Amino acid sequence: NAGVTQTPKFRVLKTGQSMTLLCAQDMNHEYMYWYRQDPGMGLRLIHYSVGEGTTAKGEVPDGYNVSRLKKQNFLLGLESAAPSQTSVYFCASSSDRSNYGYTFGSGTRLTVV
Amino acid sequence: KQEVTQIPAALSVPEGENLVLNCSFTDSAIYNLQWFRQDPGKGLTSLLLIQSSQREQTSGRLNASLDKSSGRSTLYIAASQPGDSATYLCAVPDAGGTSYGKLTFGQGTILTVHP
Repeated sequence: NAGVTQTPKFRVLKTGQSMTLLCAQDMNHEYMYWYRQDPGMGLRLIHYSVGEGTTAKGEVPDGYNVSRLKKQNFLLGLESAAPSQTSVYFCASSSDRSNYGYTFGSGTRLTVV
Repeated sequence: KQEVTQIPAALSVPEGENLVLNCSFTDSAIYNLQWFRQDPGKGLTSLLLIQSSQREQTSGRLNASLDKSSGRSTLYIAASQPGDSATYLCAVPDAGGTSYGKLTFGQGTILTVHP
């Protein structure tokens, strides 16, 4: 059982480049989330989705866009990467608001130079 | 805005010791609290989830307690082992009916258990 799969695992971007991070889950979870983890700042929520076709802003949404065209996939896009977006990005999913079965992917380490 | 604080930030103990990790939160209107483990370079793994109606939850050598009124939770690890070395994070959902499972995390306690 794969759980939550994130691709790519590592990426280096130049300032101004764009990229998309892919998150896929095979647990039929309704809710999906994108977090970023930075030293001294902990994990912070970027965007989330409560079902196919829905997205909403989290705590730090600026500079990111998301899409959830299929229930199993949640994409995070950076249109014009900035050095401040250097971070480790985690995708997570949950079956409902009860937080049971909250499952994280293994992360994407992104460096913007 | 919910704030979550974990103390200590780092802890180094010899193998076999019992230890306590602390978590405090500012908004007590939570419906559960969750403890996660993160190994270096890896994602987070859920260890224990305590509902607001529960006082504690146990899994093997781990025991988590929750005191909503005081805004505190503790994670107790019995007979620590080198394999317990990791970062431990606590997290609480946003208060209210529209939280949609969004979590606010503490900054974690880095635990090192040496042989």
